[in-house]
Amino acid sequence: EAEVAQSPRYKITEKSQAVAFWCDPISGHATLYWYRQILGQGPELLVQFQDESVVDDSQLPKDRFSAERLKGVDSTLKIQPAELGDSAMYLCASRASGRAIEQYFGPGTRLTVT
Amino acid sequence: SQQGEEDPQALSIQEGENATMNCSYKTSINNLQWYRQNSGRGLVHLILIRSNEREKHSGRLRVTLDTSKKSSSLLITASRAADTASYFCATATDYKLSFGAGTTVTVRA
Repeated sequence: EAEVAQSPRYKITEKSQAVAFWCDPISGHATLYWYRQILGQGPELLVQFQDESVVDDSQLPKDRFSAERLKGVDSTLKIQPAELGDSAMYLCASRASGRAIEQYFGPGTRLTVT
Repeated sequence: SQQGEEDPQALSIQEGENATMNCSYKTSINNLQWYRQNSGRGLVHLILIRSNEREKHSGRLRVTLDTSKKSSSLLITASRAADTASYFCATATDYKLSFGAGTTVTVRA
C-alpha cells in the first residue's frame, strides 16, 4: 500500500541552527500539506501546495520557515534559525487531485530544539 | 488557531466498554472527519461525515453530526486495547483541515 514518506523521523538541533525536513507524497497526489503538531495539541496547517504552487501559507512563519515543492513531487520544509518554541512534530500529508477528500499522513518528524 | 474542541480531553475505559467523545466547532463546514493517532505516530483517517449527513457507521465506529449545534460525536463500541490512541476531529472547508486538540483514550485490559 502506498504511503507518505518523511525523513528524518527524529531531529535534535540547537537553537539558531538550520534544520530541514523532507516529504515524499503518495505517487500521483497533487496536493501536499505540511502541519505542525505541538505536544498535546492537534495538527495546525503550515502550508498547502497544489503541484509546485503554494496555495496557502498564511500560517507559515515566513521570517524563519520556508517550504518548496520544486517539481511538484517531493517537498522540503526548512527552519532557519530554529527556536526553542519550534520543538514539535512536523507532519506531511497528501491528497489526490479533484474531489478526493481524504488526506494521507506520513509518520512525521519529531523536532527537538535545545 | 484550532477550529474544534474535543471533550473529554482524556478517557480511560475497560476493554469491552464503549468510548464516546465529542467535538464542537465554530464555522460552516463541508464535512467533518475523525482521525486516530497512536503515540508519536502519524494520523490515520477513520471516518468522514458530510454536512448533509446525520449519522454514519464504519465497523465499530459510529459518528453523528449536528450542524445546528455545530457538534459531532464519535462512538467506539466494544473497545480493545489496540484502540488506545488519541482521537482528533477535523473540520474540512475547501479541502483544508482544521483539527481539535484531541481526546486521549486509554483502554485497560
